[in-house]
Amino acid sequence: NAGVTQTPKFQVLKTGQSMTLQCAQDMNHNSMYWYRQDPGMGLRLIYYSASEGTTDKGEVPNGYNVSRLNKREFSLRLESAAPSQTSVYFCASKSPGLAGNTGELFFGEGSRLTVL
Amino acid sequence: AQRVTQPEKLLSVFKGAPVELKCNYSYSGSPELFWYVQYSRQRLQLLLRHISRESIKGFTADLNKGETSFHLKKPFAQEEDSAMYYCALRSFNQAGTALIFGKGTTLSVSS
Repeated sequence: NAGVTQTPKFQVLKTGQSMTLQCAQDMNHNSMYWYRQDPGMGLRLIYYSASEGTTDKGEVPNGYNVSRLNKREFSLRLESAAPSQTSVYFCASKSPGLAGNTGELFFGEGSRLTVL
Repeated sequence: AQRVTQPEKLLSVFKGAPVELKCNYSYSGSPELFWYVQYSRQRLQLLLRHISRESIKGFTADLNKGETSFHLKKPFAQEEDSAMYYCALRSFNQAGTALIFGKGTTLSVSS
């Protein structure tokens, strides 16, 4: 099992360019998430998807769109990149919880994006 | 508002010293809290959750509802404990469940 796979691992963009970060999980999890990690800001939730066909905004959704293509894949799109979107992006999926408790998040390796 | 506060950006200790990483939360209702850890060049991973009441790698964390805290403790730090530690709070809304993370604390253990 590969777990959660993100591509690309590194990307440099110019302001105004668009790109899509891809994420796939092979654990048959329903819930998937996109976070960004910035120094001094920790991990902030961008968007999440509780199940195939549903998505919802997190704390910092502006400038991003997502697609839950199927149960395995959850992509994050930057339509017009800005320097403020320079960050490390993490995709995660969540295992089902037991006895009503929240499951565990499994993270990808991260995608380092630089916007010039 | 749901919030997780980790007041220390960096905690530096010597090997063998006790460690306490602080975490405070704001949540109306019954909270569910976690500690996640990111070692150098590794993926972010779950360390422990308050519901399990377990000790992982010598770390424990007790939920104190009166003080709204979930501090992570270890009596004797090891160099391999050096990592970034995130406290996280389960957040519910009608769309589903997500985790809200604090800003993280870097633990540096030196010999």
